[in-house]
Amino acid sequence: GQQLNQSPQSMFIQEGEDVSMNCTSSSIFNTWLWYKQDPGEGPVLLIALYKAGELTSNGRLTAQFGITRKDSFLNISASIPSDVGIYFCAGPAFIQGAQKLVFGQGTRLTINP
Amino acid sequence: DTAVSQTPKYLVTQMGNDKSIKCEQNLGHDTMYWYKQDSKKFLKIMFSYNNKELIINETVPNRFSPKSPDKAHLNLHINSLELGDSAVYFCASSFGENTEAFFGQGTRLTVV
Repeated sequence: GQQLNQSPQSMFIQEGEDVSMNCTSSSIFNTWLWYKQDPGEGPVLLIALYKAGELTSNGRLTAQFGITRKDSFLNISASIPSDVGIYFCAGPAFIQGAQKLVFGQGTRLTINP
Repeated sequence: DTAVSQTPKYLVTQMGNDKSIKCEQNLGHDTMYWYKQDSKKFLKIMFSYNNKELIINETVPNRFSPKSPDKAHLNLHINSLELGDSAVYFCASSFGENTEAFFGQGTRLTVV
């Protein structure tokens, strides 16, 4: 089935550093979504991408929809302590003939003050 | 106002018991989902429910059954709980099946 592979699986950075993570798929996706999950909470949508090559920002976050439609990138600039959490990419995949949202394995971000 | 709410947030129960988790959304969405998040934080879809059509992920044991009394609710019933059912279960909702999903805060189920 369609799978999303995220890298890196974890990151340990200093406060103020920039962060970059990516998500790849073996098949084409028409939509890329980036979520963040805080400890003890559900995933929250950060950015949605709908067009190949699209570059979208949300504050210090910037995400890009790869032109091949098989990858996406999320960048966080000037990281702060509240950026800590798990970041997931997601996209629609066919499961039993219907489109459903599937998730990557997540990138766990840890920030040293 | 909470958009997608689940109850309870924590559930500890013994093996063999039957339990339910409730989910309600006030976003007017027409599709609701249940996801399971394992100890490695991997999110896997279990069910989606749209306009009375239930799509079941074939890997989900039939001990799990979703029940939707109306469009705003999708409850999850689990029979004969097993140790391996311990996980965090998330309810989510969206418009249609291919758009952004909004998640509840999760229910941490521990089977002892």
